[in-house]
Amino acid sequence: NAGVTQTPKFQVLKTGQSMTLQCAQDMNHNSMYWYRQDPGMGLRLIYYSASEGTTDKGEVPNGYNVSRLNKREFSLRLESAAPSQTSVYFCASSERGAPPDTQYFGPGTRLTVL
Amino acid sequence: QKEVEQNSGPLSVPEGAIASLNCTYSDRGSQSFFWYRQYSGKSPELIMSIYSNGDKEDGRFTAQLNKASQYVSLLIRDSQPSDSATYLCALTRSGSARQLTFGSGTQLTVLP
Repeated sequence: NAGVTQTPKFQVLKTGQSMTLQCAQDMNHNSMYWYRQDPGMGLRLIYYSASEGTTDKGEVPNGYNVSRLNKREFSLRLESAAPSQTSVYFCASSERGAPPDTQYFGPGTRLTVL
Repeated sequence: QKEVEQNSGPLSVPEGAIASLNCTYSDRGSQSFFWYRQYSGKSPELIMSIYSNGDKEDGRFTAQLNKASQYVSLLIRDSQPSDSATYLCALTRSGSARQLTFGSGTQLTVLP
């Protein structure tokens, strides 16, 4: 039981390049989330998926797109990377998507955009 | 005013002491409150959740919530060096029960 897995662990992009961050969970959770964490800013929600087939914007969605491929997988795409998107990206999942749910986080992807 | 405010620290306490971490929030409609622990270079992990006014204890951890004062705190008794981490306060805002809003975290160091 791996929990929440993310690939890649590290990535360096040049401005304007695109990439997709992958996330998968094996806990049969309904809800999945993408956050970014910047120094001194805490975690900020980018997008979330309350259930398979649905996605909603979070606090900072601009510059990102998401796909809930199936119940297990939730990907985050940067179409044209910018230096402002340099951050640590965390995927999380929870059983139902509403309190008192616990969100379980993946190990993170450290992205640098040059 | 930030939605969730925490003292960034660093907060240093000696081993065996009580560490007190504080969080204030601006949305009076916030319903659910969480404390996450994050070790350096790792992902956050939930250590406490609290939904009603008062204290909630779990082992060495006690969460305290005062909705009237818009204040939530975490006490760590008998602090250990392994408690050294960044502690993140998080909550759900009114009308956004599915979304967590995080504070920027307080860095705690427990000195042996």
